[in-house]
Amino acid sequence: NAGVTQTPKFRVLKTGQSMTLLCAQDMNHEYMYWYRQDPGMGLRLIHYSVGEGTTAKGEVPDGYNVSRLKKQNFLLGLESAAPSQTSVYFCASRNGVGRNQPQHFGDGTRLSIL
Amino acid sequence: ELKVEQNPLFLSMQEGKNYTIYCNYSTTSDRLYWYRQDPGKSLESLFVLLSNGAVKQEGRLMASLDTKARLSTLHITAAVHDLSATYFCAVDEKANFGNEKLTFGTGTRLTIIP
Repeated sequence: NAGVTQTPKFRVLKTGQSMTLLCAQDMNHEYMYWYRQDPGMGLRLIHYSVGEGTTAKGEVPDGYNVSRLKKQNFLLGLESAAPSQTSVYFCASRNGVGRNQPQHFGDGTRLSIL
Repeated sequence: ELKVEQNPLFLSMQEGKNYTIYCNYSTTSDRLYWYRQDPGKSLESLFVLLSNGAVKQEGRLMASLDTKARLSTLHITAAVHDLSATYFCAVDEKANFGNEKLTFGTGTRLTIIP
């Protein structure tokens, strides 16, 4: 059971380039989340989804777009990367039945924007 | 806006000692989660606290929740080196179904010294 898988694990971009981060989960979870983690700031929610075809903005959504075309996948896009988006990105998923389930996290994507 | 504060941010303690990490949050909530993160790794769920007075224990770690005081504690008993990690609390803001998301504290970096 793979759990939550993030692709790629590392990436270096130049300012202005675009890219898509992929998150895939095999637990049939309804909810999926994208966070960024920066030193001294904990995890901040970028966007999230409560089901296939739905997305919502989190705390820091500017500069990012997301799509949830399939239940198992949640894509995070950077249309025009900026140095301020250098961070570690984590995807998480959670069972939608009840609110007492923890989120399960992927291993992260380390992204550097030059 | 929900605010989650942890203290201390950094904690260095000797093996065998006891200590407590505090997590305060600013608005009503009845669900709180504790996670552990090892350097360069993902987040691992430790405890899910679902009601006022909830107490959970696993090995040398014990977590509790006081929803009236908006406070959770993570108590470490007789610390061992393997407990060195960063610990995050996260609060599920009480919201209508379909809007569940967590707000994370900034984390407490715990270092256990032999």
